[in-house]
Amino acid sequence: QQPVQSPQAVILREGEDAVINCSSSKALYSVHWYRQKHGEAPVFLMILLKGGEQKGHEKISASFNEKKQQSSLYLTASQLSYSGTYFCGTGRGAQKLVFGQGTRLTINP
Amino acid sequence: EAGVAQSPRYKIIEKRQSVAFWCNPISGHATLYWYQQILGQGPKLLIQFQNNGVVDDSQLPKDRFSAERLKGVDSTLKIQPAKLEDSAVYLCASSPGLRNNEQFFGPGTRLTVL
Repeated sequence: QQPVQSPQAVILREGEDAVINCSSSKALYSVHWYRQKHGEAPVFLMILLKGGEQKGHEKISASFNEKKQQSSLYLTASQLSYSGTYFCGTGRGAQKLVFGQGTRLTINP
Repeated sequence: EAGVAQSPRYKIIEKRQSVAFWCNPISGHATLYWYQQILGQGPKLLIQFQNNGVVDDSQLPKDRFSAERLKGVDSTLKIQPAKLEDSAVYLCASSPGLRNNEQFFGPGTRLTVL
């Protein structure tokens, strides 16, 4: 079952904050976040495991709420380099990752 | 450390022709993945290898797609015959192991079927 991401697209000015959500109808055990710039390969941001932990990466952090079957990615004080399409991927242990449809983030100066 | 290598980077073929893609994962990575990414969508897993064994190929259209990973290193993905709907970017990724590992993606092969 493919996770659902929201919003589908967001446009920000440099320095503004953004939240991207990833929801699943199935129980979540792990959530992976990747960023893909136009014409390039996806690049890993972070993995969150079952347990409700929050992780950080520079000014990008994420939370994982297993009860709500949802993960959120937080981008603080966005930079131009944050532009791209963000994908969440959900999985369980050795099982395959299923990616969402993506959220396109555009940061303007 | 060298990343995941893929070739060719671009391929244009006519429908009903065959095509093959090659992937060389990061040295020492046991798990290798082939994804299909259609424009505007997230990557969809086609097949996952652990060393030279198949872990998951449930979404591989086996009537036309095949993949192998001989000796647990390089891998090839073949489409025969190609259809218009196979136009997509084919991404190869590798990771150190099966469980909850970061996946490292290659640059992809953009396939256009005319």
